[in-house]
Amino acid sequence: AQKVTQAQTEISVVEKEDVTLDCVYETRDTTYYLFWYKQPPSGELVFLIRRNSFDEQNEISGRYSWNFQKSTSSFNFTITASQVVDSAVYFCALTEGAGSYQLTFGKGTKLSVIP
Amino acid sequence: NAGVTQTPKFQVLKTGQSMTLQCAQDMNHNSMYWYRQDPGMGLRLIYYSASEGTTDKGEVPNGYNVSRLNKREFSLRLESAAPSQTSVYFCASSEARGWGNIQYFGAGTRLSVL
Repeated sequence: AQKVTQAQTEISVVEKEDVTLDCVYETRDTTYYLFWYKQPPSGELVFLIRRNSFDEQNEISGRYSWNFQKSTSSFNFTITASQVVDSAVYFCALTEGAGSYQLTFGKGTKLSVIP
Repeated sequence: NAGVTQTPKFQVLKTGQSMTLQCAQDMNHNSMYWYRQDPGMGLRLIYYSASEGTTDKGEVPNGYNVSRLNKREFSLRLESAAPSQTSVYFCASSEARGWGNIQYFGAGTRLSVL
């Protein structure tokens, strides 16, 4: 069975600090996909990134970066120089295999960036 | 560019009442999904539709029914609402099922059952 753990329930940082959100996953499949979504206070879910199990390259997009390590089953998300607009709940999610519909979410990490 | 549109945004029901949550997508996606989000629980899949004409149960289907009306629309019905169904409901769609297809979400419906 697949499982996603986000151990950090809430994090507070001061603006301009760097922050890393942790995500640990469990799966028996060798083919799987990992995602990060952002849920701002307005409530909608916004897709941020998708990674497949065969691509361990780290990715950077502006102030956002993702570190995928199969050896530790982790897919961590770092925000550099955080801003107030980064305040949101961030979800890590996993789907297995080729034909799977099941997107399993972690419980989310609430990030508060204090001005 | 609407994406996934859900109606209504808010709803209050009394126990035992019925209602239908509507969802429509304009991205020509084949697959559609209904999730519920409860505090501290993440999102859990209620039902999904891999393609027009098919529906299947997800993780928490009890108390719900769905209809895939056409390729664009996927509705969720509560026949006899219970307080345990108080939640935020999200509809999502993806191009297809599987292969890590990205699911795009609507803005959600906040439902309270008294």
